[in-house]
Amino acid sequence: AQSVTQLDSQVPVFEEAPVELRCNYSSSVSVYLFWYVQYPNQGLQLLLKYLSGSTLVKGINGFEAEFNKSQTSFHLRKPSVHISDTAEYFCAVSETNAGKSTFGDGTTLTVKP
Amino acid sequence: SAVISQKPSRDICQRGTSLTIQCQVDSQVTMMFWYRQQPGQSLTLIATANQGSEATYESGFVIDKFPISRPNLTFSTLTVSNMSPEDSSIYLCSALSSGANVLTFGAGSRLTVL
Repeated sequence: AQSVTQLDSQVPVFEEAPVELRCNYSSSVSVYLFWYVQYPNQGLQLLLKYLSGSTLVKGINGFEAEFNKSQTSFHLRKPSVHISDTAEYFCAVSETNAGKSTFGDGTTLTVKP
Repeated sequence: SAVISQKPSRDICQRGTSLTIQCQVDSQVTMMFWYRQQPGQSLTLIATANQGSEATYESGFVIDKFPISRPNLTFSTLTVSNMSPEDSSIYLCSALSSGANVLTFGAGSRLTVL
């Protein structure tokens, strides 16, 4: 069975600072990995995905994530955050297709001026 | 990617009643799913909506409580039956497009059960 752990429930940072949101997963087989963002009162939007190939994946809004198979991690990073990045971020893992994903509990990113 | 419309976007319901949520996709998709997001929590997959046949439910969810229909490739409904305050959640429709292992979500339907 697959599982996801987001290690930080809340991450406060100042504007223009770098940020890392941590995600670890557990699975007995190869997986697909995703990061989603949810702005207040909105649905989820895909930030980036790892399906295969290069372990460093780049997504929208300047975010990137690195798949580390040995550490079973898929941490999300951004070198300089903006106020508009304030949102809930979800890491998800799937052993089959993206639809049958298991989501982490989410990390609330709050960017302060 | 597909664009998903859900309605209602929000509703306040009385205990014991049922509510049907509609999900419309602007293009044909291979798979459709229904998720629940309880207040302050993550997403949990309720079921896979299968076209023309019974939905496939995840552990802890049953058809009598959450009947689902998918009459064609672009439309699905989720009914929350005999609601109780514990059913107060955001219900999200999602879809997987052909050839793309990327999940698209609707904006969600926020239900409050009194």
